[in-house]
Amino acid sequence: GENVEQHPSTLSVQEGDSAVIKCTYSDSASNYFPWYKQELGKGPQLIIDIRSNVGEKKDQRIAVTLNKTAKHFSLHITETQPEDSAVYFCAAPGGGADGLTFGKGTHLIIQP
Amino acid sequence: DSGVTQTPKHLITATGQRVTLRCSPRSGDLSVYWYQQSLDQGLQFLIHYYNGEERAKGNILERFSAQQFPDLHSELNLSSLELGDSALYFCASSLDRGKAYEQYFGPGTRLTVT
Repeated sequence: GENVEQHPSTLSVQEGDSAVIKCTYSDSASNYFPWYKQELGKGPQLIIDIRSNVGEKKDQRIAVTLNKTAKHFSLHITETQPEDSAVYFCAAPGGGADGLTFGKGTHLIIQP
Repeated sequence: DSGVTQTPKHLITATGQRVTLRCSPRSGDLSVYWYQQSLDQGLQFLIHYYNGEERAKGNILERFSAQQFPDLHSELNLSSLELGDSALYFCASSLDRGKAYEQYFGPGTRLTVT
């Protein structure tokens, strides 16, 4: 099955700086890579995703990059704001699975 | 708000008991996925239903079962509960039949087994 590794587990950045979270996956057949943001007491919220036929995707301050050869993908948040503080999860479906395999999560802390 | 609803929000029960968690998908979505979130195991896929039929199983225990009804809402049944079943249970819905694309999560049910 799919195995997703996520780093770092905790990331503290100054407000206004950029944050980068990295994930690797094991199943070369995976073709869809979503990122979720989870705030305390809430369910994971889909914030951006990328499919394997694209190398990069942007949505305002958020971008995701994908390197299929190296089997890794990253989330980039620019001009961080206090409301970006949350736990972020990367995920991948694996080749034959319907469900998502999630990374362990990154606790992003935005320092004022 | 994702449009996915889950009830109840919190559930406290004793070991050995049985509970039912309910999920209503976003309007128009035919797929429902169930996940368990715990501190030690993280977010784990349990089971997927599409338009009333079971599509795939993940790390779901035999004591757990689910179904999806004609109105597309889904229920997750947990029986012979153990302390280790205490966790957050999320459902997610998507339009696609498979491939796990664009899953939108509900607010979750927090289960505490005492």
